[in-house]
Amino acid sequence: EVQLVESGGGLVQPGGSLRLSCAASGLTFSSYWMHWVRQAPGKGLVWVSRINSDGSSTTYADSVKGRFTISRDNAKNTLYLQMNSLRAEDTAVYYCARIDDYGDFGHPGYWGQGTLVTVSS
Amino acid sequence: NFMLTQPHSVSESPGKTVTISCTGSSGSIASTSVQWHQQRPGSAPTNVIYEDNQRPSGVPDRFSGSIDSSSNAASLTISGLRTEDEADYYCQSYDSNNVVFGGGTKLTVL
Repeated sequence: EVQLVESGGGLVQPGGSLRLSCAASGLTFSSYWMHWVRQAPGKGLVWVSRINSDGSSTTYADSVKGRFTISRDNAKNTLYLQMNSLRAEDTAVYYCARIDDYGDFGHPGYWGQGTLVTVSS
Repeated sequence: NFMLTQPHSVSESPGKTVTISCTGSSGSIASTSVQWHQQRPGSAPTNVIYEDNQRPSGVPDRFSGSIDSSSNAASLTISGLRTEDEADYYCQSYDSNNVVFGGGTKLTVL
């Protein structure tokens, strides 16, 4: 059974930082591109960032470019999201996901349970 | 950047069939692939269709996906509706610069 388990969310002040982690099991983690997707309260899903299978290529949504950094450790089967200069509008549940992408498609998608990030003073 | 447009909501009765559309703003939706994700209230999303029309293991064959190149749209069809199908449904696709989700469609089974 595939499991993606996020951790690291919490309450942070505007301008602060957080590091999210996603521990993967039940799949060949190093073979897949991985993603972070967020969902603000009562809103839809919004893609945040992607990283290719060996970590050599990353892409970001314009809203987080220059503030967030995605990375992975294939030896630990773990995906990360370093979030700096956080703003109130970054408040959301953050999901780790394996979803079809231009460099990695033709496989079922998997989602974690999400971790809540609240940016407030 | 391309966008995916879905109806805000649809409703249908148990046992009936419903189709949710997802229209691409530019390019050819048929040149990539479309995924569909279900999100029940209070839960994380789950994938119900990948690569346009493939069902992950465990997803009932009541769920099917299709592409209409002439209208640049993808569709999710759910037949034999059950109350447990009541959820938000999101289409998703990609290009080399982005991954894009539709705005989501709230399915009410009443």
